[in-house]
Amino acid sequence: QQQVKQSPQSLIVQKGGISIINCAYENTAFDYFPWYQQFPGKGPALLIAIRPDVSEKKEGRFTISFNKSAKQFSLHIMDSQPGDSATYFCAVHPNPIIQGAQKLVFGQGTRLTINP
Amino acid sequence: NAGVTQTPKFQVLKTGQSMTLQCAQDMNHEYMSWYRQDPGMGLRLIHYSVGAGITDQGEVPNGYNVSRSTTEDFPLRLLSAAPSQTSVYFCASSTWGTDTQYFGPGTRLTVL
Repeated sequence: QQQVKQSPQSLIVQKGGISIINCAYENTAFDYFPWYQQFPGKGPALLIAIRPDVSEKKEGRFTISFNKSAKQFSLHIMDSQPGDSATYFCAVHPNPIIQGAQKLVFGQGTRLTINP
Repeated sequence: NAGVTQTPKFQVLKTGQSMTLQCAQDMNHEYMSWYRQDPGMGLRLIHYSVGAGITDQGEVPNGYNVSRSTTEDFPLRLLSAAPSQTSVYFCASSTWGTDTQYFGPGTRLTVL
């Protein structure tokens, strides 16, 4: 079952532009919404995460926007740089502090390319 | 700390062969998981463990076995490899009370 739908599948952005990746989820029991970044030949690594008690979280050039009523969340990368070129995965999970983070459900992934 | 380590990095099998993918972590994490990554499908959970001696199935467990005899190690066994198991396999670990999974570098498996 596809509990998380991620779009677009691939994205090309010019250096300095804004990259936007979207995710939609189905189950309202999810309580934790991370984004993972994966470089070629490496494992995914946590980039930024949000809980549904806030609508936005910002860390440097990376921002998560969260819309609980629409069951959607998105990743915005401001001033995109060639070093941001990677595959990005959204994920969902019930509260990992209570249940442990070992059962993440991932989106399909977005391959982001930043042109210099 | 080495973090999460996986061996081998690459493996080619013939249909019907068996093998074990190794995963180890040195962070004393209670939770460990195995995912497979296929193009356009993200990462899908195969099996997971909440501690030594305790394992459970994830979304795509068929064709795979796991065991957890120690906190550090969580091997994934393919008893009779099939071409549908061609994929990149990632092991991950996390600890109780936190929300971050730490992934290993992956094993790229090809079944001919």
